[in-house]
Amino acid sequence: DAKTTQPTSMDCAEGRAANLPCNHSTISGNEYVYWYRQIHSQGPQYIIHGLKNNETNEMASLIITEDRKSSTLILPHATLRDTAVYYCIRNYGGSQGNLIFGKGTKLSVKP
Amino acid sequence: DVKVTQSSRYLVKRTGEKVFLECVQDMDHENMFWYRQDPGLGLRLIYFSYDVKMKEKGDIPEGYSVSREKKERFSLILESASTNQTSMYLCASTNQGRQETQYFGPGTRLLVL
Repeated sequence: DAKTTQPTSMDCAEGRAANLPCNHSTISGNEYVYWYRQIHSQGPQYIIHGLKNNETNEMASLIITEDRKSSTLILPHATLRDTAVYYCIRNYGGSQGNLIFGKGTKLSVKP
Repeated sequence: DVKVTQSSRYLVKRTGEKVFLECVQDMDHENMFWYRQDPGLGLRLIYFSYDVKMKEKGDIPEGYSVSREKKERFSLILESASTNQTSMYLCASTNQGRQETQYFGPGTRLLVL
């Protein structure tokens, strides 16, 4: 059980920001939120993760609500190559690093 | 640049054959994982390993075994392949500690006839 809820699919125009929501209302205090994506026929790729604070890296920004029950992954200027399935995952981290992937959101970036 | 490689991208085997899927990582990671991915079911963990010669069952270990003789190599073995093992197999590795991310290989698409 992934214990996160994401929309099944979303569309975004090329060059616009893509905002992908995730609900994790039962997240516990020491669970992180991770985002991965999987481009067709490739292995999943790590994007970003966070605990409480908003995070930004060269790929994306992660906005976590103050109550930590939901988060939004933002791709600031989506390109056609960002078309992929995006997975929101909650995880304790630690030595196991076992990730439970749900069904994810299929993001289609259109020209 | 981090690298996880898998021995084959595509593989076709017959029912009853013994199948070896190899995974190699060059990041000196302690932890390695084997998943399978099926439409509508997402990724499911088969086996993982914390260290050389150590292995732990994941969620769906039946019909599979693993071998970790060297730190960089984690092998998945199908002792007697069956058609319901037709799937995409993904290997991943990660280092010990919190906030470590998993690095995935490109996947092996296995078809069992």
